Amino acid sequence: TQLLEQSPQFLSIQEGENLTVYCNSSSVFSSLQWYRQEPGEGPVLLVTVVTGGEVKKLKRLTFQFGDARKDSSLHITAAQTGDTGLYLCAGDWDTNAGKSTFGDGTTLTVKP
Amino acid sequence: EPEVTQTPSHQVTQMGQEVILRCVPISNHLYFYWYRQILGQKVEFLVSFYNNEISEKSEIFDDQFSVERPDGSNFTLKIRSTKLEDSAMYFCAGEDTEAFFGQGTRLTVV
Repeated sequence: TQLLEQSPQFLSIQEGENLTVYCNSSSVFSSLQWYRQEPGEGPVLLVTVVTGGEVKKLKRLTFQFGDARKDSSLHITAAQTGDTGLYLCAGDWDTNAGKSTFGDGTTLTVKP
Repeated sequence: EPEVTQTPSHQVTQMGQEVILRCVPISNHLYFYWYRQILGQKVEFLVSFYNNEISEKSEIFDDQFSVERPDGSNFTLKIRSTKLEDSAMYFCAGEDTEAFFGQGTRLTVV
């Protein structure tokens, strides 16, 4: 069973601060996704990374995929209260399987 | 914007009863999935469906579970004899190049 570890599990910061969330596996991902999930709702895809070393930006969010495709990070610059939520990474290890294995998630709280 | 629609949003059922969870995926999606999320736990893969058949299933997806796409649009998950531990949010997802999740069905088995 391939495992995917996210850290930290909980993060509480003040508005305006920067933060980084990490996602790691011992196996090489074929692709990795970052999602945001609000309570009682389904995960909403933020980004998919496929190429080792890839960096994608979505406004104040920067996503990096490790060169070896075993790890990824999500960095938020100047966090806002609206960024509060559960951030999930999910990885695919088999390009033909079509399934994703999710991490436990990072619960982010941004305080005003 | 197209979306994945799941019904019902919440279902309460007696232990041992059968339930059918319904999903209407986005029309041009080819791959479909069911995931579940027990309260406070991670999202877990149940099954993937492509070309009208199961392409992969997890250990959770045992004989009490089945999936169908009966009319080419709806995608259903049937749980034949529900157990208390089946209580969870069940998410349907569809994918072409990216995965889109529905809002989920909260199943409560009492």
